[in-house]
Amino acid sequence: GDSVTQMEGPVTLSEEACLTINCTYTATGYPSLFWYVQYPGEGLQLLLKATKADDKGSNKGFEATYRKETTSFHLEKGSVQVSDSAVYFCALHRGSGNTGKLIFGQGTTLQVKP
Amino acid sequence: GAVVSQHPSWVICKSGTSVKIECRSLDFQATTMFWYRQFPKQSLMLMATSNEGSKATYEQGVEKDKFLINHASLTLSTLTVTSAHPEDSSFYICSARGAYNEQFFGPGTRLTVL
Repeated sequence: GDSVTQMEGPVTLSEEACLTINCTYTATGYPSLFWYVQYPGEGLQLLLKATKADDKGSNKGFEATYRKETTSFHLEKGSVQVSDSAVYFCALHRGSGNTGKLIFGQGTTLQVKP
Repeated sequence: GAVVSQHPSWVICKSGTSVKIECRSLDFQATTMFWYRQFPKQSLMLMATSNEGSKATYEQGVEKDKFLINHASLTLSTLTVTSAHPEDSSFYICSARGAYNEQFFGPGTRLTVL
């Protein structure tokens, strides 16, 4: 079945370091792909999305490119801040219409130290 | 735009009582809403998909008689945990589907059953 695999965390970086969180997926067809971020004690916020191959989603300095050939959607940021500390979830959309749903990866915790 | 609220944000109840959690889409109409459960430091577990005006679709292993879902309008879905027990203590998160199959999440409800 469809699935999403993320790199294990926690990922600990110093402020202004480069970030890459790997995400690969297994799915039939070409699902839409998403990155969500969850700050402590809060719900998830949509960070960025890509709906077809080669699309690049970007937001708040984060970006991810939908790579069909490697079935990947890695999250990158050139210079992280302490405020980026959170849990990041990669997800794909499976199904259509009223039966469609998101399949989440296990989440990757990012800790950014000053 | 695309704001989803939940109420209450946290609730403590005695074992055996029922608790209702509301999920509202504040600035858009949501034909489909979702209910998730999240355990500490884990990913989200989809409990059910709620479509306006019809019965909810529950994921395998989720007791529909225990977790009652009602989606009576395009802006409101409710989850009622009936006869709650300590093992039902968890973080419950709702979401509403957007136009591109993304989901907009509420801030979550922390349920503690004593």
